[in-house]
Amino acid sequence: AQKITQTQPGMFVQEKEAVTLDCTYDTSDQSYGLFWYKQPSSGEMIFLIYQGSYDEQNATEGRYSLNFQKARKSANLVISASQLGDSAMYFCAMGSGAGSYQLTFGKGTKLSVIP
Amino acid sequence: GAVVSQHPSWVICKSGTSVKIECRSLDFQATTMFWYRQFPKQSLMLMATSNEGSKATYEQGVEKDKFLINHASLTLSTLTVTSAHPEDSSFYICSGSRVVLDTQYFGPGTRLTVL
Repeated sequence: AQKITQTQPGMFVQEKEAVTLDCTYDTSDQSYGLFWYKQPSSGEMIFLIYQGSYDEQNATEGRYSLNFQKARKSANLVISASQLGDSAMYFCAMGSGAGSYQLTFGKGTKLSVIP
Repeated sequence: GAVVSQHPSWVICKSGTSVKIECRSLDFQATTMFWYRQFPKQSLMLMATSNEGSKATYEQGVEKDKFLINHASLTLSTLTVTSAHPEDSSFYICSGSRVVLDTQYFGPGTRLTVL
């Protein structure tokens, strides 16, 4: 069974500052993927970044980077230069298994960016 | 690219009626589509996985006779909530992935309210 843990129900960050959202995972699979999604108040899930279990380098996408520490089973999301539009729920998810990934989601972290 | 639409975006129905929700991949062919439900302030829970042309695979605890899923083409999947009851009120989100082990791209969600 897979498990995703996000220990921060809510976070505040000053505009233009960087913030780290924590995510730890548990799986017995050797091959898996880690994802971060953003869910604004409108409800849609917006894909942010992906890290494969065999990727040696940390994934980066613009202002988003994923701090992947495989031995510690953590996949923290770092958002640099926070913007007001970054205020949203952020979900960490893991996928593995044959065929298309079936995702297991964490409980999410609500990020609020303060002007 | 990788846009998914859902229709309707919200629906209110009477208890005992059936509701159909459509999920379309607009600019890619979705080999696999997923259906999730999300209760207020909670995470996404996978309901079922469907591959084009075959029967959906339901997660444990999801009634397949109540939540009918059809994935008739590579761009369309439908979820029908049969004999809806107030406890079925939720936010239903679909996603699609193009090929094996691909990122899931989510639709904007459908908010169902059963009176």
